[in-house]
Parts: sequence; C-alpha cells; structure tokens
Amino acid sequence: DAKTTQPNSMESNEEEPVHLPCNHSTISGTDYIHWYRQLPSQGPEYVIHGLTSNVNNRMASLAIAEDRKSSTLILHRATLRDAAVYYCILRVGNSGGYQKVTFGTGTKLQVIP
Amino acid sequence: DTAVSQTPKYLVTQMGNDKSIKCEQNLGHDTMYWYKQDSKKFLKIMFSYNNKELIINETVPNRFSPKSPDKAHLNLHINSLELGDSAVYFCASSLTSGSSYEQYFGPGTRLTVT
Repeated sequence: DAKTTQPNSMESNEEEPVHLPCNHSTISGTDYIHWYRQLPSQGPEYVIHGLTSNVNNRMASLAIAEDRKSSTLILHRATLRDAAVYYCILRVGNSGGYQKVTFGTGTKLQVIP
Repeated sequence: DTAVSQTPKYLVTQMGNDKSIKCEQNLGHDTMYWYKQDSKKFLKIMFSYNNKELIINETVPNRFSPKSPDKAHLNLHINSLELGDSAVYFCASSLTSGSSYEQYFGPGTRLTVT
C-alpha cells in the first residue's frame, strides 16, 4: 500500500485557517486521496477526497500538488469542534470499490480558544 | 436515525470467554467493514464484506469470525478472548457504486479483556 506521511500534531487558534499537510510521494496514478478525521471518543468521519483537482465541500478544501506527491487539507476557520486527529489516506482507485484503506498515525489538531 | 450502529458500546470480559459485537447500517450500503483501533490509536482493517461475501480478510487470528446475515448487518464473534484483543472495534459501511466510496463509521465498541 502506498504510504502517507503527516506531522504528528499541529496547533491552531480558533477562527483562523488551518493547513494540514500530507506527503504521499509513492502515490500511483489511480490512487485517490481521502481525508478522514476522528473526534475524541468517536469513529472516524469522512471529510473530503480528490484525485487531481482541488476540491471544496462544506467541511474543508483539499489542495493537491500538481505532481500529486503531496496534498493539504484546509479548514478555513478552525473551531473548537475541529479538534481531532486528521488522517490522510490513499485509496486504490481500481479496486472495484472494495476499499482497503490503510490509516496512518494522522495529525492531532489542537484548536486554541 | 443513526446511520451505523454498534452494540454493545462497552464490553468487559475475562480471558477465554467468547463474545460478539453487532453492527447494523441503515444507509443502504452494500459493503461493510470491521476495524480494530489499539491503545496506540492505530486503526487497522480486519474484514470487509460486500453483499454478504467476504472480500477482505487481513491477517487476523481465526478466533475472529465475522458473519453477515444480510447486507445491513455485520457481526463479529471472538472466541477464546486474549488480553491483546483489548481495543476499540469500529464497524463501517460504504457504497461501491459512484466515485466517493466514503466510509461511514459506527461509534465503536470498547472491548476490555481482563
């Protein structure tokens, strides 16, 4: 499985933007980049995904480097509810929809009031 | 209107016992998963079922036996529980059509083996 590398932890002030980086230098052409987050004592929650182009949804934006070897999850205004562990994951695109995704250690985001 | 539910939420038992964890999803998804999250917070996939058929079976001791009576349910039975089985177990589901394939996770079952 292609691996991802993320910082162990990051801090952000409340209501400021947060940029969470992810390196995936061994990504293959058909791998999708997915982001999940896990709030304390809860199951992981889907945030966003993309293949090549930048993506936006109501939760966040995903900026994908042109060579696809890195990506950045952008939370436009961090709130205390965004404090969680954020996982950057690669999903094999030609797996017939049977997603074997491998969660790494993720980035623990602390939001400071 | 819980999407993915698991029972029980907490399970405390002694070594050697047999226990089951149940999972149900009401999203109409065709694929369900079991994950194990250990004390170091690593989340590892154990099994995946698509339309009641086992499609992913990671290196898991055969003391663990998943059962999918229908597409909406995936239960996990564990025989002869060991201390190392203590973890949080998450059930998830997804749809294999479309392009998102996002997985929806349940709230987890915290298993403690003493």
